[in-house]
Amino acid sequence: QKEVEQNSGPLSVPEGAIASLNCTYSDRGSQSFFWYRQYSGKSPELIMSIYSNGDKEDGRFTAQLNKASQYVSLLIRDSQPSDSATYLCAVNPNFNKFYFGSGTKLNVKP
Amino acid sequence: SAVISQKPSRDICQRGTSLTIQCQVDSQVTMMFWYRQQPGQSLTLIATANQGSEATYESGFVIDKFPISRPNLTFSTLTVSNMSPEDSSIYLCSVEDKGAGNTEAFFGQGTRLTVV
Repeated sequence: QKEVEQNSGPLSVPEGAIASLNCTYSDRGSQSFFWYRQYSGKSPELIMSIYSNGDKEDGRFTAQLNKASQYVSLLIRDSQPSDSATYLCAVNPNFNKFYFGSGTKLNVKP
Repeated sequence: SAVISQKPSRDICQRGTSLTIQCQVDSQVTMMFWYRQQPGQSLTLIATANQGSEATYESGFVIDKFPISRPNLTFSTLTVSNMSPEDSSIYLCSVEDKGAGNTEAFFGQGTRLTVV
């Protein structure tokens, strides 16, 4: 079983819609969760971190964490073509090593 | 957040040769990490580089193939030795930054390696 699992996509949404990206993790003791955006040919860029159950909002981005279900998601409101990228979910279970999911490719169609 | 400079940004190398990738951070960090990202894949951790001790390698990666140096708290190198086309990948340097008490990972620009 992989530490972090994501649907590879691609996920296609029209411009202005809400994009919903999902991630599950295996280590129940994990405390830190992250979403990275990676444009083609570029390195990953941190866009959200979340540490406690519930929602965390930052502009058009909302991260949601449910530790009981071992589930973390990222919502992107008012999706823009510039949001088209691969989104990587990462978990830091022991504050010593990060585990990355395989990434979900998002296409926002104008 | 830490600013990480990685070079070269890309290179095309002949099989059997070696390439050394450099990673410079603008602040002192305890641990530096080296990842590989093969085309269309996620990040795979190669090793963790600690200053003053041997690097810790993940399963499937060995020091003879990927020697790492960590001479001080702001710099590290990764060498890809005796390269084959299977080593063609993006190699990423990463550091963890404890901002506001929480640890977040940041990445260098990456090195796109093509072995011919």
